[in-house]
Amino acid sequence: DAGVIQSPRHEVTEMGQEVTLRCKPISGHNSLFWYRQTMMRGLELLIYFNNNVPIDDSGMPEDRFSAKMPNASFSTLKIQPSEPRDSAVYFCASTVAGGHNNEQFFGPGTRLTVL
Amino acid sequence: DAKTTQPPSMDCAEGRAANLPCNHSTISGNEYVYWYRQIHSQGPQYIIHGLKNNETNEMASLIITEDRKSSTLILPHATLRDTAVYYCIVRVSGAGSYQLTFGKGTKLSVIP
Repeated sequence: DAGVIQSPRHEVTEMGQEVTLRCKPISGHNSLFWYRQTMMRGLELLIYFNNNVPIDDSGMPEDRFSAKMPNASFSTLKIQPSEPRDSAVYFCASTVAGGHNNEQFFGPGTRLTVL
Repeated sequence: DAKTTQPPSMDCAEGRAANLPCNHSTISGNEYVYWYRQIHSQGPQYIIHGLKNNETNEMASLIITEDRKSSTLILPHATLRDTAVYYCIVRVSGAGSYQLTFGKGTKLSVIP
């Protein structure tokens, strides 16, 4: 099993540009989570999906952020327009909702730098 | 979810047991204690969880006090690869509640 796959692993962009982060959850998992990690704020949940449906997006910082999950094997997190304060590591995680221990499996993260 | 309190950092000698404490005095009866760790530059990794009984798996042991207001994660023989930030999280397990709320965690340094 390849685990949760995220791309790109590193992204450097300029302020104002659109950024799209991608995630492929573990096959068979039906819940997907997007987190953001910064030194100042630690690990924060942005949004999560159950069966491809967004359940809680209260952590999405503002309208510049949007997330989609068009099918069970793919999700995107888009920032448009990007700002320097969006620089962070973005993690995607997946789990089997209702599973034995709800263990979340995290991807390697995407390190985003907005200049 | 209940709030947790952990020491910001700890040291442990390689080969010794690492005992990481967590206080969760406001835990509710249906809330579980979860432990995750994050090795530098990697995503968090699940370690163990429990409700009220002590638990053990191949990675660690979890000791929960009888009143459930605190717990201790034990790494029986710490290695250099156990150097990481360890997060204690309290949350309800089961339908409709899957998100994790991470605090600052404990930075464990295993020293040769």
